[in-house]
Amino acid sequence: QLQLQESGPGLVKPSETLSLTCTVSGGSITTSSKYWGWIRQSPGKGLQWIGSIFSGGTTYYNPSLKSRVTISIDTSKNQFSLKLSSVTAADTAVYYCARQNYYVVLHDWGQGTTVTVSS
Amino acid sequence: EIVLTQSPGTLSLSPGDRVFLSCRASQSVWNNYIAWYQQKPGQAPRLLIYDASSRATGIPDRFSGSGSGTDFTLTISRLEPEDFAVYYCQQYISSPCTFGGGTKVEIK
Repeated sequence: QLQLQESGPGLVKPSETLSLTCTVSGGSITTSSKYWGWIRQSPGKGLQWIGSIFSGGTTYYNPSLKSRVTISIDTSKNQFSLKLSSVTAADTAVYYCARQNYYVVLHDWGQGTTVTVSS
Repeated sequence: EIVLTQSPGTLSLSPGDRVFLSCRASQSVWNNYIAWYQQKPGQAPRLLIYDASSRATGIPDRFSGSGSGTDFTLTISRLEPEDFAVYYCQQYISSPCTFGGGTKVEIK
């Protein structure tokens, strides 16, 4: 059974870069699904899709975050990653990684990791 | 960006009740590209329904989805104790995909 696990710092200072990694186990990141995504959830904005990556490396991002987001994939480690730059308190949220299809139907989710932006 | 409005915000119900959860889109969702998720406290959302009416793997048949155009419904035929949770709809026909604000189903 496919499992996803987010990891990374739980506290990030304003203006710095948030970096998270999602490790996929129970299957290959290149064959279990070709599409992987990041979603966040905050009390103020609810659920928000951040962006997605194809196992071949093609990415697509939410336009509202596109200037600050980079998603990458490391097939040798069965991982994909999120970087969000110039963070503010508004980026405080629970961040989830997920297995998705091309249309961003989110089939399997990680348990989520809480990231707080504060000095 | 398509805005999804879910109503009501909270429903107080009893086990065994039949539930209808509404999701209304600000514009037509072509191909009925609507999904429904269930979220319990401290857990990630879980996919229930995609393409408006297709159940995800392992989802009990008491959950069903329907609708077209701008109006979609998630029906739970008979509430089980484990069904008390928050339910979200999502559209994925238009990028960025967007989510509704959720409906909480609580025990009466």
